[in-house]
Amino acid sequence: QSVLTQPPSVSAAPGQKVTISCSGSTSNIGDNYVSWYQQFPGTAPKLLIYDDNKRPSGIPDRFSGSKSGTSATLGITGLQTGDEADYYCGTWDTSPGAGWVFGGGTKLTVL
Amino acid sequence: EVQLVESGGGLVQPGGSLRLSCAVSGFTFSTYEMIWVRQAPGTGLEWVSYISDGGHTVYYADSVRGRFSISRDDAKNSLYLQMNSLRAGDTAVYYCARLGRDSGNWFDPWGQGTLVTVSS
Repeated sequence: QSVLTQPPSVSAAPGQKVTISCSGSTSNIGDNYVSWYQQFPGTAPKLLIYDDNKRPSGIPDRFSGSKSGTSATLGITGLQTGDEADYYCGTWDTSPGAGWVFGGGTKLTVL
Repeated sequence: EVQLVESGGGLVQPGGSLRLSCAVSGFTFSTYEMIWVRQAPGTGLEWVSYISDGGHTVYYADSVRGRFSISRDDAKNSLYLQMNSLRAGDTAVYYCARLGRDSGNWFDPWGQGTLVTVSS
């Protein structure tokens, strides 16, 4: 059971917009920055969003991040078939002994 | 180009030991905090261990504390994870990653991973 809660799967048609939620608590999302990662099968995770809403160099502006209270959201617009992947949220948890925590991951299907 | 390359994974019996290595290049390794993250087959990401720049501060997930030990050799641009008393539940792909600056709440880049299989 992951500390952060994500929907197991989301889907949308090419060209459409999708959002992926990440729910936590005051000890993690509520008090720390959130990052998002994209992972294709058999490959390493790749940073998409950091510090809630910042995009690293090279990440298209179709990807966006936001946060409100103890929940964060990853948004992807103009969906492409190449966006089909697993997406993970992550943050630091200030609970004793917790450390960095991740969501269980969301499988994005572009229909 | 910033690069992280893990090695040292393999098949080990329960109770055995392995030492993972992460060779880095393309940045000043000694000035960065580093972590290990693992991913069991078909599951999500789990943070394993952290080491500060300089190596004076280390953290471990509860699941590995007392069995795993993280270290670094800045002269060799290398990060290590010594894993002892391995269990079936430690079977996973192990990734090393660099912590981001400022908030330190993001990881980029990640290595390609090395598979550890604990089985008799």
